Amino acid sequence: GENVEQHPSTLSVQEGDSAVIKCTYSDSASNYFPWYKQELGKRPQLIIDIRSNVGEKKDQRIAVTLNKTAKHFSLHITETQPEDSAVYFCAASRAGANNLFFGTGTRLTVIP
Amino acid sequence: EPEVTQTPSHQVTQMGQEVILRCVPISNHLYFYWYRQILGQKVEFLVSFYNNEISEKSEIFDDQFSVERPDGSNFTLKIRSTKLEDSAMYFCASSRATGNTEAFFGQGTRLTVV
Repeated sequence: GENVEQHPSTLSVQEGDSAVIKCTYSDSASNYFPWYKQELGKRPQLIIDIRSNVGEKKDQRIAVTLNKTAKHFSLHITETQPEDSAVYFCAASRAGANNLFFGTGTRLTVIP
Repeated sequence: EPEVTQTPSHQVTQMGQEVILRCVPISNHLYFYWYRQILGQKVEFLVSFYNNEISEKSEIFDDQFSVERPDGSNFTLKIRSTKLEDSAMYFCASSRATGNTEAFFGQGTRLTVV
């Protein structure tokens, strides 16, 4: 089955700096890669996703890149703000499948 | 904005007891899921449900687990005889379609088996 690895497990950045979280996946049939943000005590919420037919997607300060050959994808947050502090999860799923395979999460702390 | 809601937020149960975790998916969604997250570990898929039947399940979802949609709004996860290792956060999720569409998560039920 699919195995998603995520690094780093914790990340601290100064406010205004960029943050990068990386994930790798094992199943070449995976073609959908969402990123979820989970604030303390709250539900995971989708912040951005990418499908395998594109290599990069951007939404304001958030971008995701996908390298299908190397089977890795990354989340980039620019101009970080304290409210970006949360746990971020990457995930992967196969075409037509219902289940998401999650990474272990990255706890991002933005220091004011 | 519509949300997936789960009850209770925290459930404590004795080992061997049955528990039912409840979820109300978003009303126009057709696919429903249960995931769990053991403390400090990754979120793991348990089961997906569509058209009143299980569409996929993981190896975690053994005979102790069952799901049901008893009416038009609720989606439940039953654990027949809880074990200590069932202690985890259980997330319900729903989506409009399968595959490459956003899954909306509930806030979770923290199950503690003592």
